[in-house]
Amino acid sequence: EAGVAQSPRYKIIEKRQSVAFWCNPISGHATLYWYQQILGQGPKLLIQFQNNGVVDDSQLPKDRFSAERLKGVDSTLKIQPAKLEDSAVYLCASSLDFGSSYNEQFFGPGTRLTVL
Amino acid sequence: GNSVTQMEGPVTLSEEAFLTINCTYTATGYPSLFWYVQYPGEGLQLLLKATKADDKGSNKGFEATYRKETTSFHLEKGSVQVSDSAVYFCALNNFGNEKLTFGTGTRLTIIP
Repeated sequence: EAGVAQSPRYKIIEKRQSVAFWCNPISGHATLYWYQQILGQGPKLLIQFQNNGVVDDSQLPKDRFSAERLKGVDSTLKIQPAKLEDSAVYLCASSLDFGSSYNEQFFGPGTRLTVL
Repeated sequence: GNSVTQMEGPVTLSEEAFLTINCTYTATGYPSLFWYVQYPGEGLQLLLKATKADDKGSNKGFEATYRKETTSFHLEKGSVQVSDSAVYFCALNNFGNEKLTFGTGTRLTIIP
């Protein structure tokens, strides 16, 4: 079974530039998550989708971050414009269903973003 | 709100040593508790979980017991191997909600 795919794996940009990350979840997984992991910290949830609807985006800085999950499969996370403090690893995860705390989340390898 | 506090690292042990990584939590309701592991260059993987008080999760020789009275979920392994070198994250979610709250992670290095 193929895992969660993310691209690119690494990205270096200047501050105030824009960047986009792509995630392809495990086939058939209804729920998709984007996490931000700053160096030395645990992952923090940015946004959660069920199919193509947003379940939780309370931690997403909406003035600069946006995310979409068209057709309930792939997802894109965008930052525009980037700030130095956005340097982090962006993790995508998916789970089979929604509404159960027992669901295992499967994580992709992440995209490491460096903002100069 | 929910929070997870992990023992600070990094932790360095010799092969075959006994491992304990402490984890305590604050949560409302009845959380499920998890340990995730991140090997070098790889994504986070679920190592083990426990969904109610006194449950013991186990996998690959690792164990953790859900202790409601002490709000703890300490990770243990009797004899570590070099291949166990990784970053370990304690996490929780609330019943009916998959949103995970993570600790800061503990980097473990095992030397031969």
